[in-house]
Amino acid sequence: NAGVTQTPKFQVLKTGQSMTLQCAQDMNHEYMSWYRQDPGMGLRLIHYSVGAGITDQGEVPNGYNVSRSTTEDFPLRLLSAAPSQTSVYFCASSYRRTSGNTIYFGEGSWLTVV
Amino acid sequence: GENVEQHPSTLSVQEGDSAVIKCTYSDSASNYFPWYKQELGKGPQLIIDIRSNVGEKKDQRIAVTLNKTAKHFSLHITETQPEDSAVYFCAATTSHTGGFKTIFGAGTRLFVKA
Repeated sequence: NAGVTQTPKFQVLKTGQSMTLQCAQDMNHEYMSWYRQDPGMGLRLIHYSVGAGITDQGEVPNGYNVSRSTTEDFPLRLLSAAPSQTSVYFCASSYRRTSGNTIYFGEGSWLTVV
Repeated sequence: GENVEQHPSTLSVQEGDSAVIKCTYSDSASNYFPWYKQELGKGPQLIIDIRSNVGEKKDQRIAVTLNKTAKHFSLHITETQPEDSAVYFCAATTSHTGGFKTIFGAGTRLFVKA
Protein backbone atom coordinates (compact mmCIF):
# COMPACT_ATOMS: atom_id res chain seq x y z
CA ASN A 1 0.00 0.00 0.00
CA ALA A 2 1.20 3.50 -0.85
CA GLY A 3 -0.97 5.05 1.87
CA VAL A 4 -1.95 8.68 1.26
CA THR A 5 -0.29 10.22 -1.78
CA GLN A 6 -0.26 13.97 -2.44
CA THR A 7 0.92 15.89 -5.47
CA PRO A 8 2.60 18.22 -6.11
CA LYS A 9 5.15 18.38 -3.29
CA PHE A 10 6.06 22.01 -4.00
CA GLN A 11 4.23 24.72 -5.93
CA VAL A 12 4.60 28.45 -6.45
CA LEU A 13 1.55 30.35 -7.62
CA LYS A 14 0.88 33.93 -8.53
CA THR A 15 -1.93 35.78 -6.81
CA GLY A 16 -5.20 35.09 -8.59
CA GLN A 17 -4.13 31.81 -10.18
CA SER A 18 -6.04 28.62 -9.55
CA MET A 19 -4.70 25.15 -8.98
CA THR A 20 -5.63 21.70 -7.70
CA LEU A 21 -3.78 19.69 -5.07
CA GLN A 22 -4.27 16.02 -5.74
CA CYS A 23 -4.79 13.39 -3.04
CA ALA A 24 -5.30 9.66 -3.35
CA GLN A 25 -5.44 6.83 -0.84
CA ASP A 26 -5.34 3.10 -1.53
CA MET A 27 -6.53 1.87 1.86
CA ASN A 28 -10.27 1.93 1.07
CA HIS A 29 -10.74 4.59 3.73
CA GLU A 30 -14.15 6.11 4.15
CA TYR A 31 -13.07 9.43 5.61
CA MET A 32 -10.75 11.92 3.88
CA SER A 33 -9.77 15.44 4.79
CA TRP A 34 -7.51 18.38 4.02
CA TYR A 35 -5.57 20.36 6.62
CA ARG A 36 -3.33 23.36 6.40
CA GLN A 37 -0.38 23.84 8.71
CA ASP A 38 0.87 27.29 9.59
CA PRO A 39 3.63 28.18 12.09
CA GLY A 40 2.34 28.29 15.65
CA MET A 41 -1.18 27.27 14.64
CA GLY A 42 -1.05 23.52 14.39
CA LEU A 43 -3.22 21.77 11.83
CA ARG A 44 -6.51 23.33 10.80
CA LEU A 45 -9.24 21.45 8.97
CA ILE A 46 -10.23 22.89 5.58
CA HIS A 47 -12.75 20.37 4.22
CA TYR A 48 -13.61 16.77 4.82
CA SER A 49 -15.56 13.92 3.25
CA VAL A 50 -17.24 10.92 4.85
CA GLY A 51 -17.71 9.08 1.59
CA ALA A 52 -18.00 9.41 -2.17
CA GLY A 53 -20.32 12.27 -3.08
CA ILE A 54 -20.35 13.73 0.45
CA THR A 55 -18.24 16.71 1.51
CA ASP A 56 -18.45 19.28 4.29
CA GLN A 57 -16.62 22.34 5.54
CA GLY A 58 -14.05 22.41 8.30
CA GLU A 59 -12.64 25.32 10.29
CA VAL A 60 -11.10 27.31 7.42
CA PRO A 61 -12.96 26.51 4.16
CA ASN A 62 -12.98 29.94 2.49
CA GLY A 63 -11.12 30.04 -0.82
CA TYR A 64 -11.08 26.25 -1.25
CA ASN A 65 -13.32 23.72 -2.99
CA VAL A 66 -13.36 19.94 -2.80
CA SER A 67 -15.16 17.05 -4.43
CA ARG A 68 -15.20 13.31 -3.81
CA SER A 69 -16.27 11.42 -6.92
CA THR A 70 -14.53 8.18 -5.87
CA THR A 71 -13.53 6.62 -2.55
CA GLU A 72 -9.85 6.94 -3.46
CA ASP A 73 -9.51 10.58 -4.57
CA PHE A 74 -10.10 13.87 -2.79
CA PRO A 75 -8.68 16.88 -4.68
CA LEU A 76 -8.45 20.35 -3.14
CA ARG A 77 -8.97 23.33 -5.45
CA LEU A 78 -7.74 26.82 -4.82
CA LEU A 79 -10.08 29.06 -6.77
CA SER A 80 -8.11 32.33 -6.82
CA ALA A 81 -4.87 32.06 -4.85
CA ALA A 82 -4.03 34.69 -2.26
CA PRO A 83 -0.80 35.20 -0.26
CA SER A 84 -2.73 34.17 2.88
CA GLN A 85 -2.99 30.69 1.38
CA THR A 86 0.76 30.21 1.54
CA SER A 87 1.00 27.16 3.76
CA VAL A 88 1.76 23.47 3.97
CA TYR A 89 -1.23 21.35 3.02
CA PHE A 90 -1.82 17.83 4.27
CA CYS A 91 -4.31 15.34 2.95
CA ALA A 92 -5.42 12.71 5.44
CA SER A 93 -7.65 9.68 5.59
CA SER A 94 -9.26 7.47 8.19
CA TYR A 95 -10.81 4.02 7.93
CA ARG A 96 -14.22 5.03 9.25
CA ARG A 97 -16.04 8.27 9.80
CA THR A 98 -16.34 7.65 13.54
CA SER A 99 -14.15 9.08 16.29
CA GLY A 100 -11.35 6.84 17.47
CA ASN A 101 -9.97 5.85 14.09
CA THR A 102 -6.35 6.67 13.28
CA ILE A 103 -5.85 9.56 10.87
CA TYR A 104 -3.15 8.84 8.27
CA PHE A 105 -1.46 11.86 6.73
CA GLY A 106 0.23 12.35 3.40
CA GLU A 107 3.72 13.83 3.09
CA GLY A 108 2.47 17.38 2.56
CA SER A 109 2.36 19.95 -0.25
CA TRP A 110 4.30 23.19 0.21
CA LEU A 111 2.44 26.05 -1.49
CA THR A 112 3.76 29.58 -1.89
CA VAL A 113 1.55 32.33 -3.31
CA VAL A 114 3.43 35.42 -4.49
CA GLY B 1 -15.41 27.58 19.48
CA GLU B 2 -13.59 24.45 20.53
CA ASN B 3 -9.86 24.67 21.00
CA VAL B 4 -6.87 22.72 22.27
CA GLU B 5 -4.04 24.49 24.05
CA GLN B 6 -0.63 22.85 24.07
CA HIS B 7 2.41 23.68 26.20
CA PRO B 8 5.28 24.23 25.94
CA SER B 9 5.81 25.36 22.36
CA THR B 10 9.49 24.40 22.56
CA LEU B 11 11.17 21.88 24.84
CA SER B 12 14.86 21.05 25.08
CA VAL B 13 16.10 18.09 27.14
CA GLN B 14 19.30 16.10 27.58
CA GLU B 15 19.41 12.61 26.16
CA GLY B 16 18.13 10.19 28.78
CA ASP B 17 15.93 12.76 30.53
CA SER B 18 12.13 12.73 30.47
CA ALA B 19 9.95 15.09 28.46
CA VAL B 20 6.38 16.10 29.29
CA ILE B 21 3.97 17.90 26.99
CA LYS B 22 0.61 19.09 28.30
CA CYS B 23 -2.67 19.84 26.55
CA THR B 24 -6.01 21.26 27.61
CA TYR B 25 -9.21 20.92 25.60
CA SER B 26 -12.45 22.86 25.77
CA ASP B 27 -15.13 20.52 24.40
CA SER B 28 -16.37 18.25 27.17
CA ALA B 29 -17.85 15.93 24.52
CA SER B 30 -14.37 15.03 23.20
CA ASN B 31 -13.84 11.30 23.54
CA TYR B 32 -10.60 10.43 21.75
CA PHE B 33 -7.17 11.98 22.22
CA PRO B 34 -4.39 11.05 19.79
CA TRP B 35 -0.78 12.26 19.79
CA TYR B 36 1.15 12.75 16.57
CA LYS B 37 4.86 13.06 15.86
CA GLN B 38 6.00 15.08 12.86
CA GLU B 39 9.55 14.78 11.59
CA LEU B 40 11.06 17.42 9.35
CA GLY B 41 9.50 17.44 5.90
CA LYS B 42 7.06 14.66 6.73
CA GLY B 43 3.40 14.33 7.58
CA PRO B 44 2.31 13.76 11.19
CA GLN B 45 2.24 10.14 12.35
CA LEU B 46 0.22 8.69 15.22
CA ILE B 47 2.39 7.57 18.15
CA ILE B 48 -0.15 6.90 20.88
CA ASP B 49 -3.78 7.58 21.67
CA ILE B 50 -6.18 7.38 24.58
CA ARG B 51 -9.94 7.14 24.80
CA SER B 52 -12.13 8.97 27.27
CA ASN B 53 -12.88 5.87 29.35
CA VAL B 54 -9.19 5.31 30.14
CA GLY B 55 -6.99 7.34 32.49
CA GLU B 56 -3.56 6.20 31.38
CA LYS B 57 -1.92 4.28 28.55
CA LYS B 58 1.69 3.25 28.08
CA ASP B 59 3.67 2.00 25.09
CA GLN B 60 7.34 1.34 25.86
CA ARG B 61 8.93 4.76 26.56
CA ILE B 62 5.77 6.73 25.79
CA ALA B 63 2.78 7.22 28.07
CA VAL B 64 -0.31 9.38 27.95
CA THR B 65 -2.54 10.42 30.84
CA LEU B 66 -6.04 11.86 30.71
CA ASN B 67 -7.94 13.82 33.35
CA LYS B 68 -11.45 14.26 31.98
CA THR B 69 -12.65 16.31 34.91
CA ALA B 70 -9.95 18.91 34.38
CA LYS B 71 -9.93 18.42 30.58
CA HIS B 72 -6.18 17.86 30.64
CA PHE B 73 -4.09 15.24 28.91
CA SER B 74 -0.33 14.82 28.77
CA LEU B 75 2.38 12.99 26.85
CA HIS B 76 5.34 11.58 28.76
CA ILE B 77 8.48 10.39 27.01
CA THR B 78 11.06 8.69 29.22
CA GLU B 79 14.73 7.99 28.46
CA THR B 80 14.67 10.40 25.55
CA GLN B 81 16.87 9.72 22.52
CA PRO B 82 18.06 12.05 19.73
CA GLU B 83 15.58 10.40 17.34
CA ASP B 84 12.75 11.65 19.55
CA SER B 85 13.54 15.17 18.30
CA ALA B 86 10.48 16.27 16.31
CA VAL B 87 7.30 18.30 16.56
CA TYR B 88 4.56 16.69 18.65
CA PHE B 89 0.85 17.51 18.29
CA CYS B 90 -1.94 16.64 20.66
CA ALA B 91 -5.51 16.48 19.44
CA ALA B 92 -9.03 16.14 20.80
CA THR B 93 -11.72 14.41 18.76
CA THR B 94 -15.47 14.77 19.09
CA SER B 95 -18.10 12.69 17.32
CA HIS B 96 -20.98 14.36 15.57
CA THR B 97 -23.75 13.32 13.24
CA GLY B 98 -22.12 12.15 10.05
CA GLY B 99 -18.53 12.16 11.23
CA PHE B 100 -16.06 13.50 13.73
CA LYS B 101 -14.09 16.66 14.36
CA THR B 102 -10.44 16.65 15.41
CA ILE B 103 -8.91 19.82 16.83
CA PHE B 104 -5.11 19.93 17.01
CA GLY B 105 -2.89 21.78 19.43
CA ALA B 106 -0.32 24.22 18.05
CA GLY B 107 2.54 21.73 18.48
CA THR B 108 5.63 21.31 20.66
CA ARG B 109 9.09 21.27 19.11
CA LEU B 110 11.19 18.82 21.12
CA PHE B 111 14.97 18.93 20.96
CA VAL B 112 16.92 16.06 22.52
CA LYS B 113 20.57 16.97 23.00
CA ALA B 114 23.08 14.15 22.80
